Amino acid sequence: KAGVTQTPRYLIKTRGQQVTLSCSPISGHRSVSWYQQTPGQGLQFLFEYFSETQRNKGNFPGRFSGRQFSNSRSEMNVSTLELGDSALYLCASSWGLAGGDADTQYFGPGTRLTVL
Amino acid sequence: QKEVEQDPGPLSVPEGAIVSLNCTYSNSAFQYFMWYRQYSRKGPELLMYTYSSGNKEDGRFTAQVDKSSKYISLFIRDSQPSDSATYLCAMRIGSNYKLTFGKGTLLTVNP
Repeated sequence: KAGVTQTPRYLIKTRGQQVTLSCSPISGHRSVSWYQQTPGQGLQFLFEYFSETQRNKGNFPGRFSGRQFSNSRSEMNVSTLELGDSALYLCASSWGLAGGDADTQYFGPGTRLTVL
Repeated sequence: QKEVEQDPGPLSVPEGAIVSLNCTYSNSAFQYFMWYRQYSRKGPELLMYTYSSGNKEDGRFTAQVDKSSKYISLFIRDSQPSDSATYLCAMRIGSNYKLTFGKGTLLTVNP
Protein backbone atom coordinates (compact mmCIF):
# COMPACT_ATOMS: atom_id res chain seq x y z
CA LYS A 1 0.00 0.00 0.00
CA ALA A 2 1.41 3.40 -0.97
CA GLY A 3 2.20 5.79 1.84
CA VAL A 4 1.35 9.45 2.25
CA THR A 5 2.80 11.54 -0.55
CA GLN A 6 3.51 15.25 -0.51
CA THR A 7 4.41 17.59 -3.32
CA PRO A 8 6.56 19.45 -3.89
CA ARG A 9 9.33 18.18 -1.61
CA TYR A 10 11.23 21.46 -1.64
CA LEU A 11 10.12 25.00 -2.27
CA ILE A 12 11.83 28.39 -2.17
CA LYS A 13 9.69 31.53 -2.05
CA THR A 14 10.20 35.18 -1.18
CA ARG A 15 8.43 37.21 1.46
CA GLY A 16 4.96 38.32 0.49
CA GLN A 17 4.35 35.48 -1.96
CA GLN A 18 1.86 32.72 -1.42
CA VAL A 19 2.35 28.97 -1.65
CA THR A 20 0.20 25.86 -2.05
CA LEU A 21 1.29 22.46 -0.78
CA SER A 22 -0.36 19.19 -1.68
CA CYS A 23 -0.92 15.94 0.21
CA SER A 24 -2.28 12.60 -0.98
CA PRO A 25 -3.31 10.33 1.92
CA ILE A 26 -3.04 6.58 2.18
CA SER A 27 -5.79 4.94 0.15
CA GLY A 28 -8.97 4.68 2.25
CA HIS A 29 -7.92 7.27 4.79
CA ARG A 30 -10.38 10.13 5.12
CA SER A 31 -8.63 12.33 7.68
CA VAL A 32 -5.71 14.55 6.73
CA SER A 33 -3.84 16.65 9.28
CA TRP A 34 -1.18 19.26 8.65
CA TYR A 35 1.73 20.11 10.94
CA GLN A 36 4.53 22.65 10.88
CA GLN A 37 7.95 21.55 12.14
CA THR A 38 10.66 24.05 13.08
CA PRO A 39 13.81 23.60 15.19
CA GLY A 40 12.55 26.10 17.75
CA GLN A 41 8.92 25.06 18.17
CA GLY A 42 9.02 21.42 17.12
CA LEU A 43 5.93 19.91 15.52
CA GLN A 44 2.84 22.07 15.78
CA PHE A 45 -0.66 21.19 14.63
CA LEU A 46 -2.14 23.39 11.91
CA PHE A 47 -5.50 21.80 11.05
CA GLU A 48 -7.30 18.57 10.29
CA TYR A 49 -9.78 17.78 7.54
CA PHE A 50 -12.26 14.94 7.40
CA SER A 51 -14.67 14.36 4.53
CA GLU A 52 -13.93 17.80 3.06
CA THR A 53 -14.66 19.61 6.34
CA GLN A 54 -12.20 21.22 8.71
CA ARG A 55 -12.67 19.35 11.98
CA ASN A 56 -9.85 20.78 14.11
CA LYS A 57 -7.73 23.89 13.95
CA GLY A 58 -4.49 24.86 15.70
CA ASN A 59 -3.31 28.29 16.79
CA PHE A 60 -2.01 29.68 13.54
CA PRO A 61 -2.98 32.97 11.83
CA GLY A 62 -5.55 33.10 9.08
CA ARG A 63 -2.78 33.25 6.46
CA PHE A 64 -2.67 29.48 6.84
CA SER A 65 -5.61 27.74 5.24
CA GLY A 66 -6.43 24.40 3.76
CA ARG A 67 -9.00 22.34 1.99
CA GLN A 68 -9.81 18.74 1.24
CA PHE A 69 -11.23 17.30 -1.92
CA SER A 70 -13.77 14.52 -2.38
CA ASN A 71 -10.95 12.00 -3.03
CA SER A 72 -9.44 12.97 0.40
CA ARG A 73 -6.46 14.71 -1.15
CA SER A 74 -5.67 17.94 0.67
CA GLU A 75 -3.97 21.22 -0.05
CA MET A 76 -2.56 23.77 2.32
CA ASN A 77 -2.10 27.40 1.39
CA VAL A 78 0.01 30.06 3.06
CA SER A 79 -0.50 33.64 1.91
CA THR A 80 1.74 36.67 2.41
CA LEU A 81 4.73 34.56 3.36
CA GLU A 82 6.97 35.67 6.22
CA LEU A 83 10.54 34.60 6.98
CA GLY A 84 9.24 32.75 10.03
CA ASP A 85 7.15 30.48 7.82
CA SER A 86 10.29 28.64 6.76
CA ALA A 87 9.71 25.13 8.02
CA LEU A 88 9.04 21.51 7.17
CA TYR A 89 5.32 21.10 6.52
CA LEU A 90 4.10 17.59 7.24
CA CYS A 91 0.84 15.98 6.40
CA ALA A 92 -0.51 12.91 8.15
CA SER A 93 -3.44 10.68 7.26
CA SER A 94 -5.65 8.33 9.24
CA TRP A 95 -9.01 6.58 8.91
CA GLY A 96 -10.59 9.42 10.82
CA LEU A 97 -12.92 7.29 12.92
CA ALA A 98 -12.96 7.77 16.68
CA GLY A 99 -10.87 5.54 18.88
CA GLY A 100 -8.59 2.56 18.49
CA ASP A 101 -5.28 1.66 16.93
CA ALA A 102 -6.72 2.16 13.45
CA ASP A 103 -6.79 5.88 14.08
CA THR A 104 -3.06 6.37 14.31
CA GLN A 105 -1.65 8.98 11.98
CA TYR A 106 0.89 8.16 9.28
CA PHE A 107 3.13 10.94 8.07
CA GLY A 108 4.38 11.90 4.65
CA PRO A 109 7.98 12.98 3.98
CA GLY A 110 7.09 16.67 4.20
CA THR A 111 7.58 19.76 2.08
CA ARG A 112 10.54 21.90 3.08
CA LEU A 113 9.61 25.55 2.54
CA THR A 114 12.28 28.22 2.58
CA VAL A 115 11.19 31.86 2.61
CA LEU A 116 13.85 34.39 1.54
CA GLN B 1 4.18 25.26 31.12
CA LYS B 2 4.14 23.36 27.84
CA GLU B 3 1.61 20.54 27.61
CA VAL B 4 4.31 18.00 26.71
CA GLU B 5 7.90 18.19 27.88
CA GLN B 6 10.67 16.09 26.37
CA ASP B 7 14.39 16.29 27.07
CA PRO B 8 15.91 17.31 23.71
CA GLY B 9 19.22 15.61 24.41
CA PRO B 10 21.30 15.02 22.43
CA LEU B 11 21.83 11.51 23.73
CA SER B 12 24.86 9.51 22.61
CA VAL B 13 25.24 5.82 23.55
CA PRO B 14 27.44 2.89 22.48
CA GLU B 15 25.98 0.12 20.36
CA GLY B 16 24.19 -2.48 22.48
CA ALA B 17 23.22 -0.04 25.23
CA ILE B 18 19.74 0.25 26.68
CA VAL B 19 18.22 3.62 25.86
CA SER B 20 15.53 5.34 27.91
CA LEU B 21 13.56 8.22 26.42
CA ASN B 22 10.98 10.10 28.45
CA CYS B 23 8.16 12.62 28.26
CA THR B 24 6.01 14.26 30.85
CA TYR B 25 2.68 15.91 30.23
CA SER B 26 0.36 18.21 32.09
CA ASN B 27 -3.04 17.57 30.51
CA SER B 28 -4.73 14.63 32.20
CA ALA B 29 -7.21 14.43 29.29
CA PHE B 30 -4.57 12.82 27.04
CA GLN B 31 -5.61 9.22 26.42
CA TYR B 32 -3.54 8.00 23.48
CA PHE B 33 0.24 7.98 23.51
CA MET B 34 2.61 7.44 20.63
CA TRP B 35 6.30 7.34 19.88
CA TYR B 36 7.53 8.39 16.47
CA ARG B 37 11.01 8.06 15.02
CA GLN B 38 12.23 10.65 12.55
CA TYR B 39 15.34 10.23 10.47
CA SER B 40 17.05 13.29 9.07
CA ARG B 41 15.10 14.85 6.20
CA LYS B 42 12.22 12.36 6.56
CA GLY B 43 8.73 12.46 8.03
CA PRO B 44 8.02 10.90 11.44
CA GLU B 45 7.41 7.15 11.43
CA LEU B 46 5.10 5.57 13.99
CA LEU B 47 6.97 3.20 16.34
CA MET B 48 4.62 2.49 19.22
CA TYR B 49 1.03 3.27 20.13
CA THR B 50 -0.43 2.79 23.61
CA TYR B 51 -3.72 3.59 25.25
CA SER B 52 -3.67 2.24 28.75
CA SER B 53 -1.20 2.54 31.59
CA GLY B 54 1.42 -0.20 31.70
CA ASN B 55 3.95 -1.63 29.28
CA LYS B 56 3.71 -2.55 25.62
CA GLU B 57 6.53 -4.44 23.94
CA ASP B 58 7.41 -4.73 20.25
CA GLY B 59 10.72 -6.39 19.52
CA ARG B 60 13.51 -4.28 21.00
CA PHE B 61 11.12 -1.46 21.88
CA THR B 62 9.04 -1.12 25.04
CA ALA B 63 6.61 1.74 25.64
CA GLN B 64 5.57 2.52 29.17
CA VAL B 65 2.73 4.76 30.28
CA ASP B 66 2.09 5.94 33.83
CA LYS B 67 -1.07 8.06 33.74
CA SER B 68 -1.02 8.72 37.47
CA SER B 69 2.38 10.40 37.16
CA LYS B 70 1.69 11.79 33.65
CA TYR B 71 4.87 10.18 32.41
CA ILE B 72 5.64 8.05 29.37
CA SER B 73 8.82 6.28 28.38
CA LEU B 74 10.31 4.42 25.45
CA PHE B 75 13.02 1.85 26.08
CA ILE B 76 15.26 0.55 23.31
CA ARG B 77 17.18 -2.63 24.08
CA ASP B 78 20.36 -3.67 22.28
CA SER B 79 20.51 -0.33 20.49
CA GLN B 80 21.89 -0.30 16.95
CA PRO B 81 23.48 2.46 14.85
CA SER B 82 20.36 2.32 12.67
CA ASP B 83 18.38 3.54 15.71
CA SER B 84 20.15 6.89 15.42
CA ALA B 85 17.32 9.36 14.85
CA THR B 86 15.11 11.88 16.61
CA TYR B 87 12.45 10.29 18.80
CA LEU B 88 9.23 12.21 19.31
CA CYS B 89 6.56 11.47 21.85
CA ALA B 90 3.03 12.45 20.87
CA MET B 91 -0.35 12.28 22.53
CA ARG B 92 -3.97 13.11 21.87
CA ILE B 93 -7.26 13.50 23.61
CA GLY B 94 -9.85 10.87 22.77
CA SER B 95 -11.36 11.31 19.35
CA ASN B 96 -9.68 14.69 18.77
CA TYR B 97 -7.16 14.06 16.04
CA LYS B 98 -4.81 16.86 16.96
CA LEU B 99 -1.52 15.37 18.08
CA THR B 100 0.54 17.26 20.64
CA PHE B 101 4.23 16.49 20.30
CA GLY B 102 7.25 16.75 22.49
CA LYS B 103 10.16 18.57 20.88
CA GLY B 104 12.02 15.32 20.26
CA THR B 105 15.21 13.71 21.57
CA LEU B 106 18.14 13.30 19.18
CA LEU B 107 19.71 9.87 19.71
CA THR B 108 23.05 8.74 18.31
CA VAL B 109 24.14 5.11 18.68
CA ASN B 110 27.87 4.76 18.12
CA PRO B 111 29.28 1.55 16.58
